[in-house]
Amino acid sequence: DAKTTQPNSMESNEEEPVHLPCNHSTISGTDYIHWYRQLPSQGPEYVIHGLTSNVNNRMASLAIAEDRKSSTLILHRATLRDAAVYYCIRKPTGTASKLTFGTGTRLQVTL
Amino acid sequence: NAGVTQTPKFRVLKTGQSMTLLCAQDMNHEYMYWYRQDPGMGLRLIHYSVGEGTTAKGEVPDGYNVSRLKKQNFLLGLESAAPSQTSVYFCASSYGNRGPHTGELFFGEGSRLTVL
Repeated sequence: DAKTTQPNSMESNEEEPVHLPCNHSTISGTDYIHWYRQLPSQGPEYVIHGLTSNVNNRMASLAIAEDRKSSTLILHRATLRDAAVYYCIRKPTGTASKLTFGTGTRLQVTL
Repeated sequence: NAGVTQTPKFRVLKTGQSMTLLCAQDMNHEYMYWYRQDPGMGLRLIHYSVGEGTTAKGEVPDGYNVSRLKKQNFLLGLESAAPSQTSVYFCASSYGNRGPHTGELFFGEGSRLTVL
């Protein structure tokens, strides 16, 4: 069962960094960690993924703990457009992306 | 490049009626998926396909059928709709994990189905 644990909700002020935590204490050595987000009334969109090393892309950074039991998605400067539900997902190896979406973290961004 | 397109976007059915949701992708992806999302819940996988002519069951397949006759299309059918199938349905597609591909899912905008 590829479960992760995330806080139900978080708040942030605009222009400030946001750290979204995720616990995946039972992760196997070959599972990737994927993050998606879902804006209101839209389908989820891919944000970032990683295996062991920290990762950066234009949207966010992903910091993975050395023991891989947790990770943190970092939005460097939150904007109102970043208000969404963020999903942290363990992706088992294999070619089909049969991802298990939990309830995620609802991020509220205020002025 | 339209990405993943779902039709229809909204539909209201009566109990017992049948309908088909169409998903089309123009990214030449091998894999396609159907998810449902109920209020306050995450997405649950209904069925998926790893290539033209192949389908497989996901987490909640009962009451649904699927077909993948063409690589770019993935159809989700409800033969006899029930109120419990009221939900928002999302289609997604992806490459596999081979080579540079990450298995990243590309989602459509969703189809809102209400069964009365």
